Amino acid sequence: AQSVTQPDIHITVSEGASLELRCNYSYGATPYLFWYVQSPGQGLQLLLKYFSGDTLVQGIKGFEAEFKRSQSSFNLRKPSVHWSDAAEYFCAVDPVRGFQKLVFGTGTRLLVSP
Amino acid sequence: ETGVTQSPTHLIKTRGQQVTLRCSSQSGHNTVSWYQQALGQGPQFIFQYYREEENGRGNFPPRFSGLQFPNYSSELNVNALELDDSALYLCASSVNGGQGEYFGPGTRLTVL
Repeated sequence: AQSVTQPDIHITVSEGASLELRCNYSYGATPYLFWYVQSPGQGLQLLLKYFSGDTLVQGIKGFEAEFKRSQSSFNLRKPSVHWSDAAEYFCAVDPVRGFQKLVFGTGTRLLVSP
Repeated sequence: ETGVTQSPTHLIKTRGQQVTLRCSSQSGHNTVSWYQQALGQGPQFIFQYYREEENGRGNFPPRFSGLQFPNYSSELNVNALELDDSALYLCASSVNGGQGEYFGPGTRLTVL
């Protein structure tokens, strides 16, 4: 079945440590890929997106993501986490590539410890 | 440039009532999408409007309906509210075929 999977419900990282959030998708053709962040009680903010080309994508707030076609993955990374990064992170895909009807994963809640 | 705005911020209704949520899209964006985000879940696509016409619908019943106006603002209407309709409703705007959705802060709907 077509789906977006974020296998980690919660992740706790020490401030200053590196972060990797996992995302896998199951679609016949490579969809457009996105990462969003949601702070408590807030809407979603676009961190980065991948449509084609260079498989390492740079986003805002120091985040990057790497697309791996062979693994159907689009993992989000940050080399050094700040306390303000604590939030919910959603991976999303646009299966129709440009029609903006996003399918979201269930999210990963990031906790940052001092 | 102004972002996506939504009103109201919070709303409490009782089962069986009707509700209208409003969204103003980001300047220059001609496409509006609505999403429902239940507690602890990722957003789910409800429908999308492009130039005042419905342009795709997710797995939601007909009691969820919408409108888009000439200035690209939009409404989401839900009739015969059910308890499971309690959720955060997010509006997102984009340029059709464009570069990602830009989300508003959402409307928190509670159905009692």
